[in-house]
Amino acid sequence: QSVLTQPPSVSGAPGQRVTISCTGSSSNIGAAYDVHWYQQLPGAAPKLLIYANSNRPSGVPDRFSGSKSGTSASLAITGLQAEDEADYYCQSYDSSLSGSVFGGGTKLTVL
Amino acid sequence: QLQLQESGPGLVKPSETLSLTCTVSGDSISRSSYYWGWLRQPPGKGLEWIGSIFYSGSTYYNPSLKSRVTISVDTSKNQFSLKLSSVTAADTAVYYCARHSGGSYSRRFDYWGQGTLVTVSS
Repeated sequence: QSVLTQPPSVSGAPGQRVTISCTGSSSNIGAAYDVHWYQQLPGAAPKLLIYANSNRPSGVPDRFSGSKSGTSASLAITGLQAEDEADYYCQSYDSSLSGSVFGGGTKLTVL
Repeated sequence: QLQLQESGPGLVKPSETLSLTCTVSGDSISRSSYYWGWLRQPPGKGLEWIGSIFYSGSTYYNPSLKSRVTISVDTSKNQFSLKLSSVTAADTAVYYCARHSGGSYSRRFDYWGQGTLVTVSS
């Protein structure tokens, strides 16, 4: 069981908008630690997609956005494209565990 | 452009020690103000942080693995290494090295190696 909770799967048609939630607790997201999101394409290493809740690294399309509120965070993807089909992971820091923690991952299927 | 590359045996016997090295190119470990980390991903499963090290040698580990993990750094070779002792089949995974950046409240992994599969089997 992961410290951060994500839905196992989400899906959407091309052009649609999907969101992926990430729920934590008072020792991680709720303790003001930032949430980061990673995209892992099939057979590839994870790639940083969103950092510090809502910031995009250079080269990440603005179709990807992140937000955080209380003990939860969300990743939104608009204008879904076939190439967005991947696994997405949220990550934060947990003060009780004194280390980085991940969500279990969400598989995005583009219908 | 910063690049990280994992290397080491792809097959380790149960009860033995897994050893991997990450070679960093494009920047100096000792010149940077970053931690350098190890993570793993069992086949078909999610990501797990193993531990991280600063160029000075300061480390912090995942509590669930701490008793079996040692991470070290060799600044002369621009490398850092992972040792995981007493391995079992549950340690079979793709192991990644990554740069661990951000301040105290924003630690994230912004550069990753391609990963290396380590299988624990006799």
